[in-house]
Amino acid sequence: DIVMTQSPDSLALSLGERATINCKSSRSVLYSSNNMNYLAWYQQKPGQPPKLLIYWASIRESGVPDRFSGSGSGTDFTLTISSLQAEDVAVYFCQQYYTTLTFGGGTKVEIK
Amino acid sequence: QVQLMQSGAEVKKPGASVKVSCQASGYTFTDHYIHWVRQAPGQGLEWMGWINPNTGGTVYAQNFQGRVTVTRDTSIGTAYMDLSSLTSDDTAVYYCARGRDINIRWGSFDPWGQGTLVTVSS
Repeated sequence: DIVMTQSPDSLALSLGERATINCKSSRSVLYSSNNMNYLAWYQQKPGQPPKLLIYWASIRESGVPDRFSGSGSGTDFTLTISSLQAEDVAVYFCQQYYTTLTFGGGTKVEIK
Repeated sequence: QVQLMQSGAEVKKPGASVKVSCQASGYTFTDHYIHWVRQAPGQGLEWMGWINPNTGGTVYAQNFQGRVTVTRDTSIGTAYMDLSSLTSDDTAVYYCARGRDINIRWGSFDPWGQGTLVTVSS
């Protein structure tokens, strides 16, 4: 199975600051035949199911605020929140769907 | 709107089985794969398997092979996840989730069900 490693485990930032969450896969999730990265990002608030934010590594799901963006290719990916809002407090997970689905361990985002 | 509605919380004894249901609405049930994912208390997400609601075909994660069975009833747009030989390690919230894209087996998930807490305790 592909192992997904997220960093940091948690981060605390002030409102309006930029949040950067990293996700590294143990092998490439870039499918050469279509040049797509098989990676998604989810947001999970306490007591709620995960919510899809980003798919194909960089495509924002409909309705997701544009302060959320995804980047990266191959084995290294980043989720960026450009200006942290109070409602962004949550745990964020990356997921690869290149092969048997696996998730990163999660990054908890809090307000300082 | 697209929704997945799961059955209620369960309490089971070690060695027992549990069956969780996931009723879909707002889309054509047979167009999208249904996945099952679990989350132990305070832990991350673990994918368990998927079902193709159109054919009934399934794939399970190796960790659950032989213990999990996913089925569906297309007449009522509902998928089921049956987990047997429960231990305390199976205490978790179990989610169903729809594959985002039509007829894609390996893909992102949107939306997710609300989750079903399964507690295994003697």
